[in-house]
Amino acid sequence: GDSVTQMEGPVTLSEEAFLTINCTYTATGYPSLFWYVQYPGEGLQLLLKATKADDKGSNKGFEATYRKETTSFHLEKGSVQVSDSAVYFCALTRSSGGSYIPTFGRGTSLIVHP
Amino acid sequence: GAGVSQSPRYKVTKRGQDVALRCDPISGHVSLYWYRQALGQGPEFLTYFNYEAQQDKSGLPNDRFSAERPEGSISTLTIQRTEQRDSAMYRCASSLGAGGSDTQYFGPGTRLTVL
Repeated sequence: GDSVTQMEGPVTLSEEAFLTINCTYTATGYPSLFWYVQYPGEGLQLLLKATKADDKGSNKGFEATYRKETTSFHLEKGSVQVSDSAVYFCALTRSSGGSYIPTFGRGTSLIVHP
Repeated sequence: GAGVSQSPRYKVTKRGQDVALRCDPISGHVSLYWYRQALGQGPEFLTYFNYEAQQDKSGLPNDRFSAERPEGSISTLTIQRTEQRDSAMYRCASSLGAGGSDTQYFGPGTRLTVL
């Protein structure tokens, strides 16, 4: 079956540090790839997405590139802020017989210190 | 505008009781998804609807779980004869379109505790 693997957290960084959160996936065909973010006390919300190979999703200074050859969708940000502290979920959606089944990773907690 | 809402936000029940969890999606959204999320884990797909049609229910763990969306708007997830292992956060999400690349908008969740 489909799966999404994220790096273990928590990831702890100082403000203005460079962020990478690794995400790799297993799925047949050509899934769409997503990063969702959950801020403390809130629900999940979309951060960025990419729908085909080599697409780059970007939002709020975060970027991720759909790499078909390495089945990866790593999240990066050049300079993190305290307000980026949250849990980040990598996810994919794959077509299966006309249905679209989502699969989420377990999430990576990011803690940014001033 | 209003986002996805879920009720109740918290539900405590005794083992063996039935519970009904409600999801009110964003108006006009075609697709509605149900997930279960254990602590420290990502959302686990349960089932989803396009309009009133249940498109896939492959994630429902057993026949005690069922869902409906009779008028293509509000949806109810029902768990019969609850067990302690059913304790989790139950999340609902809706999307404007029915495609796999559509953004899902999540509700705040219902935390279910089965004693």
